Parts: sequence; structure tokens; C-alpha cells
Amino acid sequence: ETGVTQSPTHLIKTRGQQVTLRCSSQSGHNTVSWYQQALGQGPQFIFQYYREEENGRGNFPPRFSGLQFPNYSSELNVNALELDDSALYLCASSFEGLPPREQFFGPGTRLTVL
Amino acid sequence: RKEVEQDPGPFNVPEGATVAFNCTYSNSASQSFFWYRQDCRKEPKLLMSVYSSGNEDGRFTAQLNRASQYISLLIRDSKLSDSATYLCVVRGAAGNKLTFGGGTRVLVKP
Repeated sequence: ETGVTQSPTHLIKTRGQQVTLRCSSQSGHNTVSWYQQALGQGPQFIFQYYREEENGRGNFPPRFSGLQFPNYSSELNVNALELDDSALYLCASSFEGLPPREQFFGPGTRLTVL
Repeated sequence: RKEVEQDPGPFNVPEGATVAFNCTYSNSASQSFFWYRQDCRKEPKLLMSVYSSGNEDGRFTAQLNRASQYISLLIRDSKLSDSATYLCVVRGAAGNKLTFGGGTRVLVKP
């Protein structure tokens, strides 16, 4: 077990709704990255949070937003859900410094948009 | 063109056989390279980092060819438990963004 937890494990929403996914990072880690994995594809980088600030963003629209809290846990918020948002959402925690360290993935939240 | 490309497979491998597969990456400035393993409906887990000189971890050997921009993974003496999707992962020069390939599915059969 990596010590990274995510909630909920599964979620069903309808188009246009909003969703919040949560991630608790491994103890001692200060960085959380979020990835979207559609069925049959590799994970795609959404964004990363380091010390409560966004630290890099992938090719995702602004309706994907996030937060990191002082305890380094994180939330991913998606507004105006679309059918294509159905995917496994993975968070990964790491301790960022030089050199960059391994990212440990949580079990993911499986989101279905109907 | 995708930043990291892999043959999706599946590679059907007899138990005990050797299997090898590659991935190619497009960004020549990429700094770090990894193979992750992902079991069905589970999260990715780091299998091994890939170094320029090549490296081995038990039955697994990884190679990096910077000139041709490809990474390889070889599995010797395949076990049934090696059945999984193998994700090629590249980290760029800036930040800690990981770029994943689409994965290569390996099925080891008795």
C-alpha cells in the first residue's frame, strides 16, 4: 500500500453536474499530482499542487480546478461535467525537491457521467 | 503525434518465455524515464527507472536509447503474475509532470 487514499472510490453523475474528488497524500509528501485515465489509455496529467499552489497544468480546460490544503491533501473539482469526463481519476503524491522523487499513486476514483 | 507511443499489444507470451517491447518519445529534452506496471482496474505502480547505461532488476531489463528516443523493457522467464499493462513514462526537464504512453498489454499463458 502506498499510503495515498482517494475518495470516493466510485461516483455516478449526470451531464452538467459538478463533482469534487479528494486525495490524502502519503505522510511526509508535499506535492499532489492529478491524472485522468480514460478506458484503454494511459493516464493524462491534469495538474500538480506544491505547497498549496498550482505547479504545472496539462491540456485540460478551466472547468478542471484544484486545491491543496495545509496538510497537503488535495481536491479536484470538475464543473459542467461532460460525457467524456468519464474516467479513472488518479492522484499521486511525492516529496518534491532535487532530484524529483517517485510519485506514489492512490487507488483512484472511477467517475461515470451519464 | 503523441508524446509517448507504445504498441498496445496484447503480447501473448508462453510462461517461461522472454518478451520485449519498446516505446518512443518525442521530446528530446526529456530527463527521466520509467516503466510502470498497471494491473486491471488498479493504480499504476513503479516497476523500474530507466538509465542511459541500461539497468536490470531481477528478470526485468530496461534500456534507453537517447539518440533514437526509445525505451525498451525485456522480461525474461515470464511468470503468470507478469500479466499486466506496462506503461512507459517520461518526465520532462521542467517540473514533475509525468507523461504516460498508452500502455502495452502483456498476457502470460500457461
